[in-house]
Amino acid sequence: GENVEQHPSTLSVQEGDSAVIKCTYSDSASNYFPWYKQELGKRPQLIIDIRSNVGEKKDQRIAVTLNKTAKHFSLHITETQPEDSAVYFCAANGPIDSGYALNFGKGTSLLVTP
Amino acid sequence: DAGVIQSPRHEVTEMGQEVTLRCKPISGHDYLFWYRQTMMRGLELLIYFNNNVPIDDSGMPEDRFSAKMPNASFSTLKIQPSEPRDSAVYFCASSYGSMNTEAFFGQGTRLTVV
Repeated sequence: GENVEQHPSTLSVQEGDSAVIKCTYSDSASNYFPWYKQELGKRPQLIIDIRSNVGEKKDQRIAVTLNKTAKHFSLHITETQPEDSAVYFCAANGPIDSGYALNFGKGTSLLVTP
Repeated sequence: DAGVIQSPRHEVTEMGQEVTLRCKPISGHDYLFWYRQTMMRGLELLIYFNNNVPIDDSGMPEDRFSAKMPNASFSTLKIQPSEPRDSAVYFCASSYGSMNTEAFFGQGTRLTVV
C-alpha cells in the first residue's frame, strides 16, 4: 500500500521565520496531496491541498510544492506566527485496491516561539 | 450545518466491556471515514463508507472492531470486547463527491480502556 513519510517530526522556529515540512510517498499513481493542521486537543482541518496536475499552490502565507518525479511534496509557511503552532499532517491517496483512501504521515509538531 | 458530530467526547471503560462510538456526518456528504489516532501510529484509516455501504475495512485491526452505517446520517464504531491497547482518539470524518476532496473531521472521541 501507500507509504507516506514525513519529516521532521518536530520543528521549532522563531516568529517571522519560515517553516518547511517535507513528505515522500511511494505510489506513483497518487494524485491528491492534502495537508491538515491539528491544534492541541482539536480536530484535524484541511489547510491546503494540491493535485498532481500542478507543481505548486499558494494561499497567503502557505504554499505547497509537488515533485512527482521524485515523489515528494512540501509545505512552506512564511512569516510564521505563534498561532501556527500545531501538528501538521501530510497525506497522499493510496492505490486503487484501497479505493484511493488517504494515507497520512506521522505528523510534524511545529512550535513558533515569539 | 454543525459539522460532523461525534459522541461521546470521552469514554472510559473497563477491559472487556463493549464500547460504541457514534457519528453524524455533514448532511449531504456521501463518504464517511473512521480514523484512529495514537502517538505511535498517527492517523490510521479503519474503514470508510460510500453511500452507506462499507467499501474498505482493511484498516480494522481485529474482529473485535465493527462498524455500521444504517442510514446517511448515522454511523457507529463498536469494539467488543475492548482492550487497553484500543485506547486512542477515534475520529469520524465525512466528505462529498469523492475520496479526494476535503474531509471534515468531527471533534473525536477519546477512548480510555483500563
